[in-house]
Amino acid sequence: QVQLVESGGGVVQPGRSLRLSCAASGFTFSNHGMHWVRQAPGQGLEWVALIWYDGSKKFYADSVRGRFTISRDNSKNTLFVEMSSLRAEDTAVYYCARGTGNQFDSWGQGTLVTVSS
Amino acid sequence: QSALTQPASVSGSPGQSITISCTGTSSDVGGYNYVSWYQQHPGKAPKLMIYEVSNRPSGVPDRFSGSKSGNTASLTISGLQAEDEADYYCNSYSSSNMWVFGGGTKLTVL
Repeated sequence: QVQLVESGGGVVQPGRSLRLSCAASGFTFSNHGMHWVRQAPGQGLEWVALIWYDGSKKFYADSVRGRFTISRDNSKNTLFVEMSSLRAEDTAVYYCARGTGNQFDSWGQGTLVTVSS
Repeated sequence: QSALTQPASVSGSPGQSITISCTGTSSDVGGYNYVSWYQQHPGKAPKLMIYEVSNRPSGVPDRFSGSKSGNTASLTISGLQAEDEADYYCNSYSSSNMWVFGGGTKLTVL
């Protein structure tokens, strides 16, 4: 079955960088666009970024554009997001989600990023 | 992009029906038939319940249904069960290759 496993979360100081990974299995990774979605503590969901199935196009929410970079390695079935210039408001659980059509049909368990000095 | 508008909370008794609304604009909900709904239990990942306004993924009970009129989409749960108690989020594709979520609705089964 579809499995998405995020890793790389932790505590990071404001202004620093962090890279999250999402290991995919149970489906043909290279056939699907992949998203990052985040959820601040006690808050709702926020779409962060999308990368096309082949990595040729990338799209970002206004709140992270210019600071976050989404990428993928189809040979290793892995999705990434490089987060730089981190702010307190980036504190959240970060989920990777498989895109099918215009919905998110499978989700990982999430990894917590805490931006704090 | 602004979040879609959902009621903060709804409640119902077992066996009853409830409806959660999700209001956007002509640039998102009203402009595309790409509204989806997600169920999230505490401490868990979201789960897709409805896609493309009214379609149910395999395994989702037919008690869950979706619809749309103009800029407002709705999720209806009939025959409420205790396990339906969760947070529910709507989502819509928006112009310029973005997606926007609603603020979430907490469903309480009384």
